[in-house]
Amino acid sequence: QQQVKQSPQSLIVQKGGISIINCAYENTAFDYFPWYQQFPGKGPALLIAIRPDVSEKKEGRFTISFNKSAKQFSLHIMDSQPGDSATYFCAASKYAGGTSYGKLTFGQGTILTVHP
Amino acid sequence: GAVVSQHPSWVICKSGTSVKIECRSLDFQATTMFWYRQFPKQSLMLMATSNEGSKATYEQGVEKDKFLINHASLTLSTLTVTSAHPEDSSFYICSASSIPNTEAFFGQGTRLTVV
Repeated sequence: QQQVKQSPQSLIVQKGGISIINCAYENTAFDYFPWYQQFPGKGPALLIAIRPDVSEKKEGRFTISFNKSAKQFSLHIMDSQPGDSATYFCAASKYAGGTSYGKLTFGQGTILTVHP
Repeated sequence: GAVVSQHPSWVICKSGTSVKIECRSLDFQATTMFWYRQFPKQSLMLMATSNEGSKATYEQGVEKDKFLINHASLTLSTLTVTSAHPEDSSFYICSASSIPNTEAFFGQGTRLTVV
């Protein structure tokens, strides 16, 4: 099964708060887990990604937590800002030789709204 | 960073006509390009994977005769929607990757409206 399940569908956070988005996957062959940010009418942009050999990765205000045994991973956005308001997608991929990790299975997306 | 450019950004075409969308990697050689489709308020769904110089691999349920993909060079892939119908109206997004990089870089997307 190739599904990646994402929750919540939408999230409203006050400025300065923490935004948390969760994803769960089924295929244990997945070994690359990126998060993307997408603004309306634009293509997705990579925020941060993690491999299963680490449990956490932090880049600025963005942190991925990864639980291999539970097959779950989450995105934490610290000190959320109105400019973070966008749709966020988790994704998963597995190395397939010549295709690198570009063949992605996306979660359903989370619409984040950060109120000033 | 690596830049992937799509053209056009938006296109309106009449039902029954064909439309071509270009995806270019501007500053790197893309051995593999991917085409996704995204309906309003939905996720991205992979349509096909193309490797330079070879035939594209289509995902289950995607009509290869309707969505023609050509990856003739290491910097250009094209998606042609043939005999377009209103239900083909969608946001089409390409991405490109090169070995040994792990990341695929996305284009800005093309909004197709079939009237």
